[in-house]
Amino acid sequence: GAVVSQHPSWVICKSGTSVKIECRSLDFQATTMFWYRQFPKQSLMLMATSNEGSKATYEQGVEKDKFLINHASLTLSTLTVTSAHPEDSSFYICSAKKPQGSPPYSGNTIYFGEGSWLTVV
Amino acid sequence: AQRVTQPEKLLSVFKGAPVELKCNYSYSGSPELFWYVQYSRQRLQLLLRHISRESIKGFTADLNKGETSFHLKKPFAQEEDSAMYYCALSGVSSGTYKYIFGTGTRLKVLA
Repeated sequence: GAVVSQHPSWVICKSGTSVKIECRSLDFQATTMFWYRQFPKQSLMLMATSNEGSKATYEQGVEKDKFLINHASLTLSTLTVTSAHPEDSSFYICSAKKPQGSPPYSGNTIYFGEGSWLTVV
Repeated sequence: AQRVTQPEKLLSVFKGAPVELKCNYSYSGSPELFWYVQYSRQRLQLLLRHISRESIKGFTADLNKGETSFHLKKPFAQEEDSAMYYCALSGVSSGTYKYIFGTGTRLKVLA
């Protein structure tokens, strides 16, 4: 099966500092990765779509200067929360798209990391 | 615009009863539809995809393009089915491939 790993699983940082979360696809190459934010008992909110070697596409309302996304290789994407504030405290989840099958219809499936709890104090 | 709607936040059924979790979508092209499940304290995992036409853990879902629905069904619910279920849609929007989730339905199967 496909495995996606996130690190760290949880992190506490001081207000005003920056924190980086890594997302790795361990056994497949992911040209596309997604970053989500999930508040308690709520759904996943897509923050941005990250394509390897190009700039991330951010969803409306997501500050690209605050949530820096880098997808430098086919197996790694990072999310950096800059100048973190308590309201940034949340559960951040990444997922990676693994193309399956072959044309004319490939049927893409995404696999999720275990998530990262960020607490800003 | 792409949108996935799951009208029920919580669905409670008794063990052995049939289950249907509703999902409606809006998309201008031909989407791929998925159901994901999140058990307590575990990561999201794929349950099934519409293109596979498969049955996983007794669950099935049929894509109804006329009604733009992809409801998840199981004839006899089990206690271990209790979890959060998310309907998801993937497709290209404004030149970008996106994967959008509904708000989720919490299924509680009562003994």
